[in-house]
Amino acid sequence: QQQVKQSPQSLIVQKGGISIINCAYENTAFDYFPWYQQFPGKGPALLIAIRPDVSEKKEGRFTISFNKSAKQFSLHIMDSQPGDSATYFCAASIGSGYSTLTFGKGTMLLVSP
Amino acid sequence: GAVVSQHPSRVICKSGTSVKIECRSLDFQATTMFWYRQFPKQSLMLMATSNEGSKATYEQGVEKDKFLINHASLTLSTLTVTSAHPEDSSFYICSARPPSGVTDTQYFGPGTRLTVL
Repeated sequence: QQQVKQSPQSLIVQKGGISIINCAYENTAFDYFPWYQQFPGKGPALLIAIRPDVSEKKEGRFTISFNKSAKQFSLHIMDSQPGDSATYFCAASIGSGYSTLTFGKGTMLLVSP
Repeated sequence: GAVVSQHPSRVICKSGTSVKIECRSLDFQATTMFWYRQFPKQSLMLMATSNEGSKATYEQGVEKDKFLINHASLTLSTLTVTSAHPEDSSFYICSARPPSGVTDTQYFGPGTRLTVL
């Protein structure tokens, strides 16, 4: 049973455009939703995270939108740059980032120059 | 931010041999470390949770006798793949979390690429 569904599987965006990646979860006990960025051959790095008590969180060009009733959350990358080309994973956990993370399947983003 | 290292970064071994992978938290003490496996273009799958000074907790379907985990100190956890076979070839990633109250996240290592011939 896949508890966190992520889409799209891959995404191509022009430089300067907005990249949008969506995730949906099933377990209503999840209360911590991080996004990770992974470059080839490297471990994932935390990008931004949100809790269900807010509907949006912004850090620089990265924004998480959260819809608790729909059990969905999304990552928006504004003014996408070629250096943003990487695989992005959404995840969810109960309690905090300390706890066991359930990952989505990942989205491979390519930002064309 | 906190740094987690893994050694080796790449290893190639013959089928039937054992391989040890180290995960170290360089600037913080990690009471808990997680071990993940990632196949090409796939997501991270949690293999086991390693707690310092106690036995690791394995996820369903992960053979504890094949993937030996030792968390002997607050900065080091090791994963030993015993009697490795080609199907064990994968990218193994650890993560470590600082003690409760320090921060609300876990930090990932750079991963170890295992190739079993």
